[in-house]
Amino acid sequence: EIVLTQSPATLSLSPGERATLSCRASQSVRTYLAWYQQKPGQAPRLLIYDASNRASGIPARFSGSGSGTDFTLTISSLEPEDFAVYYCQQRSNWPLTFGGGTKVEIK
Amino acid sequence: EVQLVESGGGLVQPGGSLRLSCAASGFTFSSYWMNWVRQAPGKGLEWVANIKEDGSEKFHLDSVKGRFTISRDNAKNSLYLQMNSLRADDTAVYYCARVGPTVNVFYYWGQGTLVTVSS
Repeated sequence: EIVLTQSPATLSLSPGERATLSCRASQSVRTYLAWYQQKPGQAPRLLIYDASNRASGIPARFSGSGSGTDFTLTISSLEPEDFAVYYCQQRSNWPLTFGGGTKVEIK
Repeated sequence: EVQLVESGGGLVQPGGSLRLSCAASGFTFSSYWMNWVRQAPGKGLEWVANIKEDGSEKFHLDSVKGRFTISRDNAKNSLYLQMNSLRADDTAVYYCARVGPTVNVFYYWGQGTLVTVSS
C-alpha cells in the first residue's frame, strides 16, 4: 500500500498569503496524484488531478506540481473560502489511498 | 447536474448489518465506475470499494473484504454497499463517489451517510 504523508498538519496563514502544501508518497505514483478540499460538514471537492490539472470550475489561484514521490499544492493568494482541509490521493496503485490531510486555518 | 444521494446509515450494534444506498441522477449511471469512500469522525478519507460500469468487476479494501459487498442496479441508477459483521472501527460517514473522466479520480461526491457501530 502506498502511504501518502502530508505536511504540515496545520498551516496558519492570513487571507492574501500564499499557501504551500506538501504530499510525499512512500513510492513513486508517477503523476497520478489528486488534491481535494473539504470544508466542515461537507463532502470533499476535487481541485487538481494528475498532479497539475485543475478540475472544472477551480480558480486559477490553485495549482499543483510534482511527480514521482513529491508533490505540492499551492494557493497563490488565500481567499476567505479557502480555509479548509486539503487531502492528496494517489491512483497509481491499489488500494487507492489518501493522505492524512493539511488543515489551512486563519492566523 | 450530477447528484448523488446516500441513505441507509444509522446506529447498529457490533456484528450487525446495514445496507447503504446511493441514488444517482444527472448523468448516465451505467457509463461510470462508482465508489464508496468513508471518513471516520475527525479523521481522513479512506477508499472502501468500487465497481465497474456493468458490475462485472469489483474491488474492496482488504479490511472490509468478506464483510462488505459493493453492488449496483443500473436500471435503478443506484449503488449499494452491503455491510455485514460491522465493527466499531467501521464507524464513519460513507460517501458515494463517481469517477471520470479520469480513472480513479473522484469527481463527484454525495453528501454522505453516517454509520455508527456501537452497543
